[in-house]
Amino acid sequence: QVQLVESGGGVVQPGGSLRLSCAASGFTFSSYGMHWVRQAPGKGLEWVAFIRYDGSNKYYADSVKGRFTISRDNSKNTLYLQMNSLRAEDTAVYYCAKDTPDDRYYFDYWGQGTLVTVSS
Amino acid sequence: EIVLTQSPATLSLSPGERATLSCRASQSVSSYLAWYQQKPGQAPRLLIYDASNRATGIPARFSGSGSGTDFTLTISSLEPEDFAVYYCQQRSNWPTFGQGTKLEIK
Repeated sequence: QVQLVESGGGVVQPGGSLRLSCAASGFTFSSYGMHWVRQAPGKGLEWVAFIRYDGSNKYYADSVKGRFTISRDNSKNTLYLQMNSLRAEDTAVYYCAKDTPDDRYYFDYWGQGTLVTVSS
Repeated sequence: EIVLTQSPATLSLSPGERATLSCRASQSVSSYLAWYQQKPGQAPRLLIYDASNRATGIPARFSGSGSGTDFTLTISSLEPEDFAVYYCQQRSNWPTFGQGTKLEIK
């Protein structure tokens, strides 16, 4: 069965950096686009970033463009999110999510999430 | 950016009743709309994609309809496990979500 397991969250000061990881199993990771989606405490969902199956294209929400970098290592079945210049408004649970076939930008499987808290 | 507005914000119903949730887009998204269910402390779960297609393993009591700017998620007869927050999401442009509808037990 499909499993996505995020790690790397924690408390970081404003302006700091953090790298999230998402370990995938139960499907052919190298064949699917992947996303990061976040949810601030008590709030709704916000799409953050997308990477194609082979890493050839990456797209970002305007709110994180220039600060966050999505990447993947298909040999390790792992998705990453490098987060720099963190702000208080980046505080959220970060989910990795698998795209449906053909990069349709629907999220058919989600991890359990990892909490990032940006605070001094 | 395409804005999705969900209504009502909260819906109070009893098990066995029919639930109708709405999602309106600020501009046409064709049929490129999905619905997700989220329970407290859990990740969202995909219910419906392309406005009316049930995702794998989703019970038949969940159905979606609509196109263009107006969409509906219907739960024909509520089960106790259906009480949760529901989000719509469009993929016509970069993905955006509605603010959610909380379905609570009356």
